Amino acid sequence: EAGVTQFPSHSVIEKGQTVTLRCDPISGHDNLYWYRRVMGKEIKFLLHFVKESKQDESGMPNNRFLAERTGGTYSTLKVQPAELEDSGVYFCASSQVQGTGNTIYFGEGSWLTVV
Amino acid sequence: QKEVEQNSGPLSVPEGAIASLNCTYSDRGSQSFFWYRQYSGKSPELIMFIYSNGDKEDGRFTAQLNKASQYVSLLIRDSQPSDSATYLCAVNGMDSNYQLIWGAGTKLIIKP
Repeated sequence: EAGVTQFPSHSVIEKGQTVTLRCDPISGHDNLYWYRRVMGKEIKFLLHFVKESKQDESGMPNNRFLAERTGGTYSTLKVQPAELEDSGVYFCASSQVQGTGNTIYFGEGSWLTVV
Repeated sequence: QKEVEQNSGPLSVPEGAIASLNCTYSDRGSQSFFWYRQYSGKSPELIMFIYSNGDKEDGRFTAQLNKASQYVSLLIRDSQPSDSATYLCAVNGMDSNYQLIWGAGTKLIIKP
């Protein structure tokens, strides 16, 4: 069974450009999460989808970030325009259920560098 | 502000010894506690989760939870060089809508 896959694995873009990150969750997982880790900081929650609906987007840093999950399958996270402080690792994760003790599976991450 | 605190390390332990990793959390409403292992350049990998006070053992790993003192620990017995990694503590609960709140991680080095 395929795990959570993310694309691209690494990207380097200039400040002001746009980048779109893609996440394919484990098949059958309704819950999809985006997290990010910027240099020297802890991993931070960005948002949570249940199927195609945004359950919680309280962690989205500002309106330069847009996440979608059309059809409740894969998700995209667009950063437009990118700023230097957006550099970091963006992790996608998925789970079958939500709540106490549920197992969340992580993708390998998309490493973003804004120059 | 809900926080999870870990000593950043590095924690150096000789091969074959017991490695002890600690984590404290601020939100008394936290319900589930997770330990992830992350190798350099890789994604976090779940090792164990615990949600009842006491000890939970899985192979060489033991998670310990004390809700009254708000700490959770991970013990690794018979440490191996392959255990060298960053260990991340994460907690969640109903108050955070079950989103994971992460510690910054402890870097563990197992010396052969």
